[in-house]
Amino acid sequence: EIVMTQSPANLSVTPGERATLSCRASQSVRNNFAWYHQKPGQPPRLLIYATSTRATGIPARFSGSGSGTEFTLTISSLQSEDFAVYYCQQYNNWPYTFGQGTRLEIK
Amino acid sequence: QITLKESGPTLVKPTQTLTLTCTVSGFSLSTTGVGVGWIRQPPGKALEWLALIFWDDDTRYSTSLKTRLTVTKDNSKNQVVLTMTNVDPVDTGTYFCAQRAVPATGYFDPWGQGILVTVSS
Repeated sequence: EIVMTQSPANLSVTPGERATLSCRASQSVRNNFAWYHQKPGQPPRLLIYATSTRATGIPARFSGSGSGTEFTLTISSLQSEDFAVYYCQQYNNWPYTFGQGTRLEIK
Repeated sequence: QITLKESGPTLVKPTQTLTLTCTVSGFSLSTTGVGVGWIRQPPGKALEWLALIFWDDDTRYSTSLKTRLTVTKDNSKNQVVLTMTNVDPVDTGTYFCAQRAVPATGYFDPWGQGILVTVSS
């Protein structure tokens, strides 16, 4: 089973600044990789798939990069609605697996 | 518009069998390439992928839970059913169903709102 490790676990950022979140896979997942965010009481929402493709309706301030085992989500200028928990997911191998999450908080 | 909605008991006793239903609309469960997955989330914890059923009834399961899980579907009712046997308090959490967004991929969009299931005597 592929283990997805996210870092940091918690990140405090001032609104308007850039945030960088990381996810590492225990083995290559090629570019079969996605990011979600989740706000309290809501289901996760797809942000990025295929490593770098924004999902429908996701603002351009969200960008994904990486390949193989190392992936990054960058939010260029944080808005109030971006403070949430972020999860990565690999879908290259069965079983699919999620990371443990990064909590993005207002500084 | 594609929607998914989970339903089922919100309280089950340890050792019982949990049965959850995901009712979908806006797409057909029998369309080639379609897949519906189940993901759960213990309170305050991370997402855990559980299972997925494909349009052709093929299924995939979590390695650690595969002996306890069964996923089936009823195309005529637009429903996907997840069964988990011998539940334990550690199975407490919110259970989500979600559509595999695009055939031959594995990311999920959209998701249902989820159902909170508590396992307690």
